[in-house]
Amino acid sequence: SAVISQKPSRDICQRGTSLTIQCQVDSQVTMMFWYRQQPGQSLTLIATANQGSEATYESGFVIDKFPISRPNLTFSTLTVSNMSPEDSSIYLCSVEDRHGDSGANVLTFGAGSRLTVL
Amino acid sequence: DAKTTQPPSMDCAEGRAANLPCNHSTISGNEYVYWYRQIHSQGPQYIIHGLKNNETNEMASLIITEDRKSSTLILPHATLRDTAVYYCIVRPYGTSYGKLTFGQGTILTVHP
Repeated sequence: SAVISQKPSRDICQRGTSLTIQCQVDSQVTMMFWYRQQPGQSLTLIATANQGSEATYESGFVIDKFPISRPNLTFSTLTVSNMSPEDSSIYLCSVEDRHGDSGANVLTFGAGSRLTVL
Repeated sequence: DAKTTQPPSMDCAEGRAANLPCNHSTISGNEYVYWYRQIHSQGPQYIIHGLKNNETNEMASLIITEDRKSSTLILPHATLRDTAVYYCIVRPYGTSYGKLTFGQGTILTVHP
C-alpha cells in the first residue's frame, strides 16, 4: 500500500491567515484527493487533484478558499485561505491504491492535518 | 451512491466477535459494499468490500444478505485496538474510487 505523509500534523492558526498543508506519497499516483473532517463529523471530499491540470472541486468548495497545487505525481498541497474558526477541521490527503491481497482499488489516507483556528 | 444506515454506536467485549450491521436498501445492481474504519487520530483504513458473495480477509468477514439490502461486518475476535469508527459505503463499480461518501458510521468500543 502507498504511504502518505502529511505536514503539518497539527497547527493553531490565527483568524485571517492562510496555511498550506503538504501531502507526499511514496509512489507515483494519478489522482490525489483532499477531504475535510469537521469536529465530530464525517469526511467530506473537497477536491480531486490531477497532475498537470486544475483541481476539480466538489459542491460547496471553491478554489479561492482552498487552492490546490499538484506539481508532480507524488506531491500535492492544499491551502486553507483567510481562515476563520469554522475552518477548524482535520484535512486529509488520500490516493487511489491497490489493496495488497485482494488487488481491489481502494483509498489510502494520510494521518491528517488537524487545524485549529482561533 | 446508495444511502447507508448504521447504528451510531456499539460495544463489544475483548475477544468476542463484533457484528456491525449496515442497511443499504436502495442499493443498485452494480454497487459494491465497502467498509472502512477510522481509529482515533488516524485517517480511514480500508477493511473489506463485496458485491453479493460473502467475503473474508485477514481483518474481517463481510456477510451480504441475498437481497443485498443489508450487510454485516464481522470482526471475529475483537481487540482493544479495534475501537474505531466503522463506515459502511456503497458505490458503483468502475467509478472514481476517490470520491467516497462517508456517513456518520458506527463507533465501536471494545472493552476489556
